[in-house]
Amino acid sequence: GAVVSQHPSWVICKSGTSVKIECRSLDFQATTMFWYRQFPKQSLMLMATSNEGSKATYEQGVEKDKFLINHASLTLSTLTVTSAHPEDSSFYICSARSRGFGELFFGEGSRLTVL
Amino acid sequence: SQQGEEDPQALSIQEGENATMNCSYKTSINNLQWYRQNSGRGLVHLILIRSNEREKHSGRLRVTLDTSKKSSSLLITASRAADTASYFCATVPYNTDKLIFGTGTRLQVFP
Repeated sequence: GAVVSQHPSWVICKSGTSVKIECRSLDFQATTMFWYRQFPKQSLMLMATSNEGSKATYEQGVEKDKFLINHASLTLSTLTVTSAHPEDSSFYICSARSRGFGELFFGEGSRLTVL
Repeated sequence: SQQGEEDPQALSIQEGENATMNCSYKTSINNLQWYRQNSGRGLVHLILIRSNEREKHSGRLRVTLDTSKKSSSLLITASRAADTASYFCATVPYNTDKLIFGTGTRLQVFP
């Protein structure tokens, strides 16, 4: 099946720094990518929808200036957590889909810990 | 935003028993999907059922969908210790392309 790769798989940073997480579709062109956030023992919450070449659409309550999403190519979307704080510590998961309403493929997730 | 609620939140059973998880959702949907997540890992897609389907099987998995009640169930038959994981239903609300997850059920299967 299709593969979506996330990098890094885990990252620890100091409060106030920015962290970039990459999501790559390895064997298909992802016209749409989604970013989710998951706190321990909770479900996945959709943060934003990212379409190649256009601005991301953020879900209600998600700060777009805090979580910068860039979908510059058909195989890469990035999520940058700016000025990270301990409350931003979470598991971030991306998913990617090719044209139309095809199956979503998920990355393995990136665990962010902000000290 | 959260579309679905799952019941029960946690389920513990012995190997060989069947496990049933229920999902209720709020809005009309294009399809409903079930995913599995091992602790701290990514998601594994299990099965997709379209809004015009009522039942679907895949190996030891059986999924039902009742759009009139806005509910779905996932049955895992003859469970194994390796089935221990969290299970999430997820829906694509009608006229959207977003996948919205339910609250999840944590399944523990004891050997």
